Amino acid sequence: QQQVKQSPQSLIVQKGGISIINCAYENTAFDYFPWYQQFPGKGPALLIAIRPDVSEKKEGRFTISFNKSAKQFSLHIMDSQPGDSATYFCAASINTDKLIFGTGTRLQVFP
Amino acid sequence: DTGVSQDPRHKITKRGQNVTFRCDPISEHNRLYWYRQTLGQGPEFLTYFQNEAQLEKSRLLSDRFSAERPKGSFSTLEIQRTEQGDSAMYLCASSFRVAEETQYFGPGTRLLVL
Repeated sequence: QQQVKQSPQSLIVQKGGISIINCAYENTAFDYFPWYQQFPGKGPALLIAIRPDVSEKKEGRFTISFNKSAKQFSLHIMDSQPGDSATYFCAASINTDKLIFGTGTRLQVFP
Repeated sequence: DTGVSQDPRHKITKRGQNVTFRCDPISEHNRLYWYRQTLGQGPEFLTYFQNEAQLEKSRLLSDRFSAERPKGSFSTLEIQRTEQGDSAMYLCASSFRVAEETQYFGPGTRLLVL
């Protein structure tokens, strides 16, 4: 019940395309859902986060869509760029406590 | 303030040896977290502190692992009698519990146990 399932495991997108990564959770007590970006050899960095009281949050080219009834949330990267090539992790927590991470999606954006 | 720092960045040790890692959080951050990340996986929670109090430990944290945060500032994670299965990236994160919820991660310490 503490798991966060993430898909796909890897994603190849052409420059300018839309990248979509999906996550699902079981624990309805989760109330904070961040997305982290990680480059090789670096620690994860927060990209964007959402709380379940809103269905969508947009920051620049990054959008989180949240479906509370389906217990799913997704990250959309619009106009994907080669610099977006990284591993993306969804996560969830209760009351901004310890983060439960998904297994990650390796995104490659080709020019 | 340059963010969360961790030392060392890399550590190679032989099985059975003890190792200690240090994490310096962002100043004034009262929460400090330790996570472990193996290749191709997401970070897994190990333990966290609020100020100097260790509030939760994961079942992943065997009795060979111990963490401290004296005076609520930096933290150390010690692994005794290392095993090859301990090889991983050890990540530290900090947050300012009251003001915001974001956990800021350090660059990690990569441990290789031979």
